[in-house]
Amino acid sequence: DQQVKQNSPSLSVQEGRISILNCDYTNSMFDYFLWYKKYPAEGPTFLISISSIKDKNEDGRFTVFLNKSAKHLSLHIVPSQPGDSAVYFCAPGSSNNDMRFGAGTRLTVKP
Amino acid sequence: GAGVSQSPRYKVAKRGQDVALRCDPISGHVSLFWYQQALGQGPEFLTYFQNEAQLDKSGLPSDRFFAERPEGSVSTLKIQRTQQEDSAVYLCASSFGGGGAGELFFGEGSRLTVL
Repeated sequence: DQQVKQNSPSLSVQEGRISILNCDYTNSMFDYFLWYKKYPAEGPTFLISISSIKDKNEDGRFTVFLNKSAKHLSLHIVPSQPGDSAVYFCAPGSSNNDMRFGAGTRLTVKP
Repeated sequence: GAGVSQSPRYKVAKRGQDVALRCDPISGHVSLFWYQQALGQGPEFLTYFQNEAQLDKSGLPSDRFFAERPEGSVSTLKIQRTQQEDSAVYLCASSFGGGGAGELFFGEGSRLTVL
């Protein structure tokens, strides 16, 4: 969906280092933003979200940053662990249940 | 069950055949979504139900695609006269609320291969 762009199809980091996954969107009507994580042969599972009234939300090793003026959000994972290896989808949504997904970024965390 | 259940997990169809994909959402969840995920892509929205009402079907790619949720729980996505471009994983998701900003709970998907 061209409304949501995850420009890095893949990312490889060393265990213990920071992983930064980026997402850009075009629709200014999006007012909440979710990240989903997907393992092979499984459906996506919710990871973390942020509403448009915030610029940062933190949950353990995961932090999402939102820059509304730039229509950009990022997911930081620190420290990265091998079990974090998965595909991560950025999914902005609006209050009318319109949720869009990016193409995903495949994260590989090397031991 | 505790999660969203989809069946069949895998379906191989000959071109022109009709298929039906089933979704059992989490009990009590008001909202139900269908997404199509092609290889290497993110999930693409197909349609959305609030209880039994289909409130948005703007993502259905053609009139060969039809979805229903007659009693507000189980949903079926039907694809008539399947084409090779219909090959994808079809994901069903549900959420508790009827409004926006809700976390979606996904099933494992139904992988359709059209030969």
